[in-house]
Amino acid sequence: KQEVTQIPAALSVPEGENLVLNCSFTDSAIYNLQWFRQDPGKGLTSLLLIQSSQREQTSGRLNASLDKSSGRSTLYIAASQPGDSATYLCACPFLTQGGSEKLVFGKGTKLTVNP
Amino acid sequence: ETGVTQTPRHLVMGMTNKKSLKCEQHLGHNAMYWYKQSAKKPLELMFVYSLEERVENNSVPSRFSPECPNSSHLFLHLHTLQPEDSALYLCASSQDHPGIYGYTFGSGTRLTVV
Repeated sequence: KQEVTQIPAALSVPEGENLVLNCSFTDSAIYNLQWFRQDPGKGLTSLLLIQSSQREQTSGRLNASLDKSSGRSTLYIAASQPGDSATYLCACPFLTQGGSEKLVFGKGTKLTVNP
Repeated sequence: ETGVTQTPRHLVMGMTNKKSLKCEQHLGHNAMYWYKQSAKKPLELMFVYSLEERVENNSVPSRFSPECPNSSHLFLHLHTLQPEDSALYLCASSQDHPGIYGYTFGSGTRLTVV
């Protein structure tokens, strides 16, 4: 069974700071990992998708890394801005007994960037 | 909008009501999903449809009834719900094997059962 843990649960930083969000997973036999952003009361916006063959992916100020052997992924946010305030979720695919795939999510890290 | 559209955005219903949530995607995906997000809990998968066939029912009570009439539309029919069913219901879509392109989520329906 796949379990995903995100640390910390909440993080508050001043604007401009670089920060790292952590995600760990128990089953290393994943073929990708996806990071999402969720604003309060809203749906999920996909940020980055890392394939198991990749070590990292970058999009603008965001950089996500993946280390399958240690069961870890990190999301690095450079030069944080108040608009980055949101909950960040990581998710791993997991094959069910029925043979279909489902995403297993962590509980998320709630980020607040203070002006 | 993200390519996956959910309606309504908000819904308040009594425990004896019957209502439906709608999800529509125009991304050419062939798999669609319902997820539930309750306060303080991780997102939970409810149902998976692949090529319009239900392939997964994640032990969801029968008061939730999904319907997938075609690959672009997914419904969640609700009847005799309980207050603990109040949550954000999210629809997602993907290619049948989303390993390359991942998942796309809608904005969700915020459901309150009174």
